[in-house]
Amino acid sequence: DGGITQSPKYLFRKEGQNVTLSCEQNLNHDAMYWYRQDPGQGLRLIYYSQIVNDFQKGDIAEGYSVSREKKESFPLTVTSAQKNPTAFYLCASSHGNEQFFGPGTRLTVL
Amino acid sequence: AQSVTQLGSHVSVSEGALVLLRCNYSSSVPPYLFWYVQYPNQGLQLLLKYTSAATLVKGINGFEAEFKKSETSFHLTKPSAHMSDAAEYFCAVSEDNFNKFYFGSGTKLNVKP
Repeated sequence: DGGITQSPKYLFRKEGQNVTLSCEQNLNHDAMYWYRQDPGQGLRLIYYSQIVNDFQKGDIAEGYSVSREKKESFPLTVTSAQKNPTAFYLCASSHGNEQFFGPGTRLTVL
Repeated sequence: AQSVTQLGSHVSVSEGALVLLRCNYSSSVPPYLFWYVQYPNQGLQLLLKYTSAATLVKGINGFEAEFKKSETSFHLTKPSAHMSDAAEYFCAVSEDNFNKFYFGSGTKLNVKP
């Protein structure tokens, strides 16, 4: 089955620790995205990548980092510089005019 | 930059009643518009999309939306609500090259028996 996988589904970390969220797609899509979702705020774009080895900051990139070494993979690292990292994180990929979303990772920082 | 406004963070309807979820956008160029549905702790699923073809767009699960350029609106409707429609709905707009998608803040739909 083609699709986007995100792991883990739930993640708990202590304050001050970096954590990496996984996103893998087998749809052969060039573009991939990371969004953060908070209650009542919709989706906010963190980073996006249109092609391997290239990525751009979105609206709320501070405290986050990404890499795009392979077409299939777009991991997101939440660093200790992110002031309020507890949120639901969604990965997406796109082909043409449609975005496909993964199931999300809920990160809780204790 | 483009923006999307969804009026009403919460909408409640009775089962069998009309569903109307409102979306207005701002765009300086012809937009591409989308409605997504999200169930709790899940990703977003595309309901329907407008890409400059017919102004009335039909989607999955009986939903449809009408693009009205003069009103800069793309409201989502369903003639008869079902309990399974209870979810959060997001309107989104993209730029011409689809590199970036802008989302509204979402509307939670509650369906009462």
